Amino acid sequence: EAGVAQSPRYKIIEKRQSVAFWCNPISGHATLYWYQQILGQGPKLLIQFQNNGVVDDSQLPKDRFSAERLKGVDSTLKIQPAKLEDSAVYLCASSLGGAGGSIYGYTFGSGTRLTVV
Amino acid sequence: QKEVEQNSGPLSVPEGAIASLNCTYSDRGSQSFFWYRQYSGKSPELIMFIYSNGDKEDGRFTAQLNKASQYVSLLIRDSQPSDSATYLCASPSKGDSSYKLIFGSGTRLLVRP
Repeated sequence: EAGVAQSPRYKIIEKRQSVAFWCNPISGHATLYWYQQILGQGPKLLIQFQNNGVVDDSQLPKDRFSAERLKGVDSTLKIQPAKLEDSAVYLCASSLGGAGGSIYGYTFGSGTRLTVV
Repeated sequence: QKEVEQNSGPLSVPEGAIASLNCTYSDRGSQSFFWYRQYSGKSPELIMFIYSNGDKEDGRFTAQLNKASQYVSLLIRDSQPSDSATYLCASPSKGDSSYKLIFGSGTRLLVRP
């Protein structure tokens, strides 16, 4: 079974620039998550999709972050404009959804390390 | 908002010792817990899941859940230098139709050769 694919692996941008990350979940996984992990901290949920609908985006800074999941499969996360404090690893994860998510946990992609200078 | 708390460490143990990692949680309704291992520069990988009170063993790993005291722990027997990593505790938070994992900040484990 192919894992969760993410790209790019690394990105360095200047503050106020924009950036986009891409995620392709495991086939058949209905639920897709984007997490932000700042160095030394645990992952923090930014947004959760169930198929192509948003389930939870309560911690997404909507003035600068946006995300979409087209056709319930791939997803993109965008930051515009970026701030220094956005420097972090952005992790995409997917799960079966429903009760499966609570039992089997999720599988994470390799992440995108963003550095804002 | 549910909270999951972990000591950031580092926890340093000699090779061959038992490493004990702890996690406390605020929501008495939490039913299950996950332990993820994260090597430096890598993404988290699932190593254990526990649902019931008591112990669950998988190889050198034992997860312990005590719902009355609201803590969950991970024991690593015969610790190896390759076990050096950050260990994240997580608990599912149920929404209307799906779950999300709430993570602790992680405990860094260092196993000394």
